[in-house]
Amino acid sequence: GENVEQHPSTLSVQEGDSAVIKCTYSDSASNYFPWYKQELGKGPQLIIDIRSNVGEKKDQRIAVTLNKTAKHFSLHITETQPEDSAVYFCAAVTGTASKLTFGTGTRLQVTL
Amino acid sequence: EAQVTQNPRYLITVTGKKLTVTCSQNMNHEYMSWYRQDPGLGLRQIYYSMNVEVTDKGDVPEGYKVSRKEKRNFPLILESPSPNQTSLYFCASSIQGAYNEQFFGPGTRLTVL
Repeated sequence: GENVEQHPSTLSVQEGDSAVIKCTYSDSASNYFPWYKQELGKGPQLIIDIRSNVGEKKDQRIAVTLNKTAKHFSLHITETQPEDSAVYFCAAVTGTASKLTFGTGTRLQVTL
Repeated sequence: EAQVTQNPRYLITVTGKKLTVTCSQNMNHEYMSWYRQDPGLGLRQIYYSMNVEVTDKGDVPEGYKVSRKEKRNFPLILESPSPNQTSLYFCASSIQGAYNEQFFGPGTRLTVL
């Protein structure tokens, strides 16, 4: 089955700096890659996603890039703000649309 | 308000005492799933359901049961809980399958003594 590795596990940046979280996947048939943000005490929420026919997608301060050859994808957050502090999960979906495989999460802390 | 609800939110129980965690969604979603979240392991899928009466195992189904008799409800059953099932559990739903946005419930923190 699919295996998703995520790095780093923790990340601390100063407000205004950029943050990058990286994920690699094992199954070359994976074709959908969402990112979820989990705030303290809440369930994860989708923040951005990318499909395998696209190399990059941007939504305001958030962008995701996908390298299918290398089987990795990354989340980029620019001009970080304190409200960006949360746990971020990458995920991959393969084939039959039945299941997501999540990475192990990155705890991002944005300091003033 | 469109939402996924879970009950209870917190539960402390003892080994072997059967329990059920309920999950309900009001968005007419076809797909529902259960995850457990453990430190350092991320979210791992327990079971999923593509639609009513169709369920299948995820990555960590041992010790759990589910049923999908109605579209809106997807209860998680622990017939004989053990301490290694102490975890944070999330129910999620989407309009159709894993290729669509997953809407997560608020979580149920379970402790098995």
